[in-house]
Amino acid sequence: DVKVTQSSRYLVKRTGEKVFLECVQDMDHENMFWYRQDPGLGLRLIYFSYDVKMKEKGDIPEGYSVSREKKERFSLILESASTNQTSMYLCASSLTGTGPEAQHFGDGTRLSIL
Amino acid sequence: DQQVKQNSPSLSVQEGRISILNCDYTNSMFDYFLWYKKYPAEGPTFLISISSIKDKNEDGRFTVFLNKSAKHLSLHIVPSQPGDSAVYFCAAKGYTGGFKTIFGAGTRLFVKA
Repeated sequence: DVKVTQSSRYLVKRTGEKVFLECVQDMDHENMFWYRQDPGLGLRLIYFSYDVKMKEKGDIPEGYSVSREKKERFSLILESASTNQTSMYLCASSLTGTGPEAQHFGDGTRLSIL
Repeated sequence: DQQVKQNSPSLSVQEGRISILNCDYTNSMFDYFLWYKKYPAEGPTFLISISSIKDKNEDGRFTVFLNKSAKHLSLHIVPSQPGDSAVYFCAAKGYTGGFKTIFGAGTRLFVKA
């Protein structure tokens, strides 16, 4: 069974801090994704990666960056945290990304920026 | 511009009855549609999918119907059980300038015992 693990379930940070959210998958998946989930807005894609060291912007990349140095690990970085980045962050992975294949999600990190 | 819309934020159904969750989309290039279920404090999990060349797919108590001309799909749960209480996300995939999955806003289903 695919396991996607996010390093923290809850995180509280201060405005202006640099924040790192880590995600690890154990199934050798090519693709990894970062979403944020906000009430009434569903899941919005921040960044995704289809290979090591490759990254693509999603729909809302502003204020974020990512790093994928190893295939199993995909990090989301908030360069200078702001209160409007308070949200639930979800990491996901998939093998190919094409066809009907679904994504496998971690349990999320609830991030609060004070 | 929301390409995948779930217009009902919530739905309440009696145990044993049918739950119908609706989803509309705007992009005719989508190839596949998926439903995910999400419990509180957990990530979404895949439930059922349908190809754009089909109009129905069934898996146990869950059936998804696709009406391409109306750009509408629905998820039917029969019979509904209290354990089905969760948020349901409709999602669409296809080459829309990238292999992204577009998610709707979600519908929270309450199944009352």
